[in-house]
Amino acid sequence: DAGVIQSPRHEVTEMGQEVTLRCKPISGHNSLFWYRQTMMRGLELLIYFNNNVPIDDSGMPEDRFSAKMPNASFSTLKIQPSEPRDSAVYFCASSLGTGSNSPLHFGNGTRLTVT
Amino acid sequence: AQTVTQSQPEMSVQEAETVTLSCTYDTSESNYYLFWYKQPPSRQMILVIRQEAYKQQNATENRFSVNFQKAAKSFSLKISDSQLGDTAMYFCAFMKRNAGNMLTFGGGTRLMVKP
Repeated sequence: DAGVIQSPRHEVTEMGQEVTLRCKPISGHNSLFWYRQTMMRGLELLIYFNNNVPIDDSGMPEDRFSAKMPNASFSTLKIQPSEPRDSAVYFCASSLGTGSNSPLHFGNGTRLTVT
Repeated sequence: AQTVTQSQPEMSVQEAETVTLSCTYDTSESNYYLFWYKQPPSRQMILVIRQEAYKQQNATENRFSVNFQKAAKSFSLKISDSQLGDTAMYFCAFMKRNAGNMLTFGGGTRLMVKP
């Protein structure tokens, strides 16, 4: 089991540029989550998918953020245009089913720095 | 909405001693789950232990145990025989049952184990 795989591990970009973060969930998991971690706000849920369908995107900060899950094995989080306040660690997590017998498994995160 | 509070931003403990991390939460739900996650300097989020609210027995996982007080909405983590590898951020998290596996996190406690 390779776990949840995120890429890139680090991303440095200039303000105004487009940023795409990628996630491959654990095979067989049908729920996928994007979280953002900052010193000020801690861990915040941005969006989650169930069976590739976005269920709750109320945590997405603004229209500059978008997430897709074209198939069961891949998801992207895009920021366009990026701003310095988007600097954070972005985590992807997946789980099997929607009951808590299936805990969330997290990737190693992508540290985004926007200058 | 649920809130999770960790009132201890930082703690330290001597190697081989016992330490307890505090967590309180606020919810109107009766069916839910509680978790402790560990985040070492590697940044990975690792599930340490989980508790079903309907179970009165406190969960244990080797050196890790919880003190779950449902009426008081308290969920503390006890680490026995602390090891240097336990140095990490620890996050308490809440999950409402049958609500898509979404986790609400506390602000975290930074634990330093000293040799």
